[in-house]
Amino acid sequence: QKEVEQDPGPLSVPEGAIVSLNCTYSNSAFQYFMWYRQYSRKGPELLMYTYSSGNKEDGRFTAQVDKSSKYISLFIRDSQPSDSATYLCAMSESGGYSTLTFGKGTMLLVSP
Amino acid sequence: DTGVSQNPRHKITKRGQNVTFRCDPISEHNRLYWYRQTLGQGPEFLTYFQNEAQLEKSRLLSDRFSAERPKGSFSTLEIQRTEQGDSAMYLCASSAATGSWPDTQYFGPGTRLTVL
Repeated sequence: QKEVEQDPGPLSVPEGAIVSLNCTYSNSAFQYFMWYRQYSRKGPELLMYTYSSGNKEDGRFTAQVDKSSKYISLFIRDSQPSDSATYLCAMSESGGYSTLTFGKGTMLLVSP
Repeated sequence: DTGVSQNPRHKITKRGQNVTFRCDPISEHNRLYWYRQTLGQGPEFLTYFQNEAQLEKSRLLSDRFSAERPKGSFSTLEIQRTEQGDSAMYLCASSAATGSWPDTQYFGPGTRLTVL
């Protein structure tokens, strides 16, 4: 079992839909959680980050962490075709330098 | 600031050949990371530099792989005696190490290696 599990998709939704992306993990030492977005033939870019359990909202994006269930989510409201990309969850044990462990990414396709 | 750049963007080589990739981080970023990403997978950490010092290497980094960051600026990743299993996207990232979290890693576009 990999440390971080993420459904690779693809997930296809119509424009305007609410999208839910999820990851589960097995390492209880993970405390810092991030979501990266990766467009085709580009490097990943940091989208959201949260520490420990709780919610964080930024515009159309909401990140949730449930450490008791070892489950994290990214919600995208009013999805747009420009949101079509691969979404990678990433986790680390400490907030200073610490190796990032990525999920395999979920490909999202938002159709107009 | 033009972001992290990587060269070449694509490299095709024959099995057994040596290849070298270059990464130019965002200026004044003192941390530099190398990752490998295969199709349908997330990036896997390979190694990390703080200035010119290589502080951590993944066990994924076999003896055929070597990375340098000679003056704490650009970095090179060399793969000797390439194997078909080395075919992947090699990503470089840099961060500013400001002391506050997150220490955001900014990724380059990657070098796609194909070993025939």
